[in-house]
Amino acid sequence: GDSVTQMEGPVTLSEEAFLTINCTYTATGYPSLFWYVQYPGEGLQLLLKATKADDKGSNKGFEATYRKETTSFHLEKGSVQVSDSAVYFCALSENTGGFKTIFGAGTRLFVKA
Amino acid sequence: NAGVMQNPRHLVRRRGQEARLRCSPMKGHSHVYWYRQLPEEGLKFMVYLQKENIIDESGMPKERFSAEFPKEGPSILRIQQVVRGDSAAYFCASSPTGTNTEAFFGQGTRLTVV
Repeated sequence: GDSVTQMEGPVTLSEEAFLTINCTYTATGYPSLFWYVQYPGEGLQLLLKATKADDKGSNKGFEATYRKETTSFHLEKGSVQVSDSAVYFCALSENTGGFKTIFGAGTRLFVKA
Repeated sequence: NAGVMQNPRHLVRRRGQEARLRCSPMKGHSHVYWYRQLPEEGLKFMVYLQKENIIDESGMPKERFSAEFPKEGPSILRIQQVVRGDSAAYFCASSPTGTNTEAFFGQGTRLTVV
C-alpha cells in the first residue's frame, strides 16, 4: 500500500539556520504530495502542495519539489524563525474518487532564538 | 465560508461510556474523512464517507467504533464503551468532489478517557 517516510525528529536549529526535512513516498499511481504543519494544541494546516512531477510547492519561505525519480518531496527553508517551531507532516493523496490522505509520522522542529 | 468545524474540542469520558464526535464539513464538500492521532504519532486514517455512504473503513477498529454521515447534519464518529487506549486527538477532514484538490482539516477533538 501507499506509505510516507519522513526523517525522525526532533530537529533543533538556531534562528536563521537552513532547514531540510526529508520525505520519501511509495505509491502505486501518481499521487499529490503535501506538507502540513501542526502548531501545539492545534489542528493541521496545509503548508504547501505539489500535484505532479517537477512541481515546486512554496509558501511562507518553505518549498518542496516533487521528485518522481527519487520518490521524494523534501521540505526546505533558507532561514528558520522561532515561530516555525511545530510538527511537520509529509503526506500524499491518490485521487481515487476522494482524497484519502496518508501521513508520515511527523517531524518536530524546535528553533532556538 | 467557514472551515471544517469539529465539536467538542475537548471531551472527557470515563471508561465504559460512549463518546460522540461531530464534524461539519466545509460548505459544498461531500467527502468526509476521520483520522486518529495518538500522542507523539502521526495521523492514521480511520474512515472515509460520502453522504449516507461509507466508502472506506479500512482503518476503523472492528469493534466499538462506528461512523456516519447522514443526508442532513454533521458526520458523527461514535466510540462505544471507551477504554484508556482510545485517548487521542480525532481529526476530521473534508473535500469537494472533483480532482486535484486537497482535504481541509478541522481543529480536532481531544478525547481523554479517565
